[in-house]
Amino acid sequence: SQELEQSPQSLIVQEGKNLTINCTSSKTLYGLYWYKQKYGEGLIFLMMLQKGGEEKSHEKITAKLDEKKQQSSLHITASQPSHAGIYLCGADYAGGTSYGKLTFGQGTILTVHP
Amino acid sequence: EAQVTQNPRYLITVTGKKLTVTCSQNMNHEYMSWYRQDPGLGLRQIYYSMNVEVTDKGDVPEGYKVSRKEKRNFPLILESPSPNQTSLYFCASSFGQGRVAFFGQGTRLTVV
Repeated sequence: SQELEQSPQSLIVQEGKNLTINCTSSKTLYGLYWYKQKYGEGLIFLMMLQKGGEEKSHEKITAKLDEKKQQSSLHITASQPSHAGIYLCGADYAGGTSYGKLTFGQGTILTVHP
Repeated sequence: EAQVTQNPRYLITVTGKKLTVTCSQNMNHEYMSWYRQDPGLGLRQIYYSMNVEVTDKGDVPEGYKVSRKEKRNFPLILESPSPNQTSLYFCASSFGQGRVAFFGQGTRLTVV
């Protein structure tokens, strides 16, 4: 089984709807990163969470990290076609020795219909 | 503009023909990594480097080599590519733990 599980694997929504993507870790996270990827292109950094209970927002996207630092959610409010893409969560596990390594979930493919 | 630059973006090659994918960052980051992305397997780390002349294996290092002679560059070398190395490759750099990792645009490699 994966250390980091994302759900759902794919999501199709109508423009204007809210949606949530989850990222669940099998062990405690040092940090959790959210990225967005257009198909076949590079990863665009969205947000980084490090403290239990932390919540960050940017435009219509909000990310939260639970108190136990084992689960994160990404919530998009009033989705738009520009939100479409692959959302990836990346975990920093090592607590001082990771050398920048991130362990990624498998990604959630988001489609937003106009 | 702060960025990680990979070249080439697309490459089709034949089995056994040595190739190098270049990666360069202009942010003075200490840490650099190479990942490969495959359907159903996600992103997996191939090699990483903590600083000049310091490199180590990631999760899937077989068939790859790297070098870090200068801080800004971290090339990925495939001495004898095989079809199972067909993948989308990403280079990333950061200042280290707790700092954001920036990714290149990716190199789509096809080995026939």
